[in-house]
Amino acid sequence: GAVVSQHPSRVICKSGTSVKIECRSLDFQATTMFWYRQFPKQSLMLMATSNEGSKATYEQGVEKDKFLINHASLTLSTLTVTSAHPEDSSFYICSAVLGIPYEQYFGPGTRLTVT
Amino acid sequence: QKEVEQNSGPLSVPEGAIASLNCTYSDRGSQSFFWYRQYSGKSPELIMSIYSNGDKEDGRFTAQLNKASQYVSLLIRDSQPSDSATYLCAVDNYGQNFVFGPGTRLSVLP
Repeated sequence: GAVVSQHPSRVICKSGTSVKIECRSLDFQATTMFWYRQFPKQSLMLMATSNEGSKATYEQGVEKDKFLINHASLTLSTLTVTSAHPEDSSFYICSAVLGIPYEQYFGPGTRLTVT
Repeated sequence: QKEVEQNSGPLSVPEGAIASLNCTYSDRGSQSFFWYRQYSGKSPELIMSIYSNGDKEDGRFTAQLNKASQYVSLLIRDSQPSDSATYLCAVDNYGQNFVFGPGTRLSVLP
């Protein structure tokens, strides 16, 4: 299957700082990438849809000024958590859509801990 | 509101048995159907995709799709303890409307 990487895999930051997470499609070009968040023992929660060259579409309740998404190329999308707080601590997972048959492949995830 | 429903489980089966996982969806316009496996603390992994009515087999896995009943299932034959995970059903319409179910926890008992 297609390969999606994420960096970093784990990050610990202090409250009030910003953290950037990178998502790359390694062997295909992805016009669409998704960002999810998952709290322990809970379901995946879609945060936003990232389309190359255009503004991201955020799900209801997700603050676009806090979770900045940039999809500058067909292989790279970034999520920046600004002014992080302990309640932002979670498992952040990106995915990329492989064109026809539109299969979605997930990155390995980034575990964010805000102290 | 497009919905995908799954029994949250846990579904427990003995080693070597067939595990049957079910999923229903609300959007009749859905075109693509997927099963993902997610181990605890890891991200989801695509294990099966199916696009037309009927059965699709891949090794020990068989996906079944019935669009008229809006129903997708996944059968795992000869279940192994390593199959213990949460299985997510997802439906989509041309790459833009992925909707995931809440997942079913499967436990295969040695």
